[in-house]
Amino acid sequence: DSGVTQTPKHLITATGQRVTLRCSPRSGDLSVYWYQQSLDQGLQFLIQYYNGEERAKGNILERFSAQQFPDLHSELNLSSLELGDSALYFCASKKDQQETQYFGPGTRLLVL
Amino acid sequence: AQSVTQLGSHVSVSEGALVLLRCNYSSSVPPYLFWYVQYPNQGLQLLLKYTSAATLVKGINGFEAEFKKSETSFHLTKPSAHMSDAAEYFCAVSEAQNFGNEKLTFGTGTRLTIIP
Repeated sequence: DSGVTQTPKHLITATGQRVTLRCSPRSGDLSVYWYQQSLDQGLQFLIQYYNGEERAKGNILERFSAQQFPDLHSELNLSSLELGDSALYFCASKKDQQETQYFGPGTRLLVL
Repeated sequence: AQSVTQLGSHVSVSEGALVLLRCNYSSSVPPYLFWYVQYPNQGLQLLLKYTSAATLVKGINGFEAEFKKSETSFHLTKPSAHMSDAAEYFCAVSEAQNFGNEKLTFGTGTRLTIIP
């Protein structure tokens, strides 16, 4: 158990819909990262938040957005969903001045 | 820019045999390097990491890796494979001391199968 929690574990929805994925980082971790794992793209960095502020962006679609709240939990919002958005979405967290990102169990999204 | 190449998307070894999973990286600045393991239907678990200290790094479950700057490699080894090692293994790189931009760039993964 990494100490990072993600909800829900599984999500099935239809094209065009909007979903929200939630991540709670390890205690004391100010940085939260979101990654997408898909069969065709592999593991890709989406976005990083640090203490409530966006810090870095990767290959994140405009239909996707994220935020980090004062209690440091983060949400990834996916809208106008397409079949190709079906993937495993991971959240990771990290402490300042340390190198290791600790990953949550992921949310498996299936868009039908 | 940084990138990771993992040679061999599938590797099969017999139980008790040497495990060797290959990883080559590219980075314009000194890298941090990581190996993560993913068991079926689970998240990513850190096996070991290189952060510019010792070039031979020991991790959990008997795995180790050696950082070779001249070869830009960070291959993962284990002397004797166990059935429980069957999983997918990912090599990843981040930019050392680039605080504020510590994203991980992953390789495409290597699925390790252990033959009884």
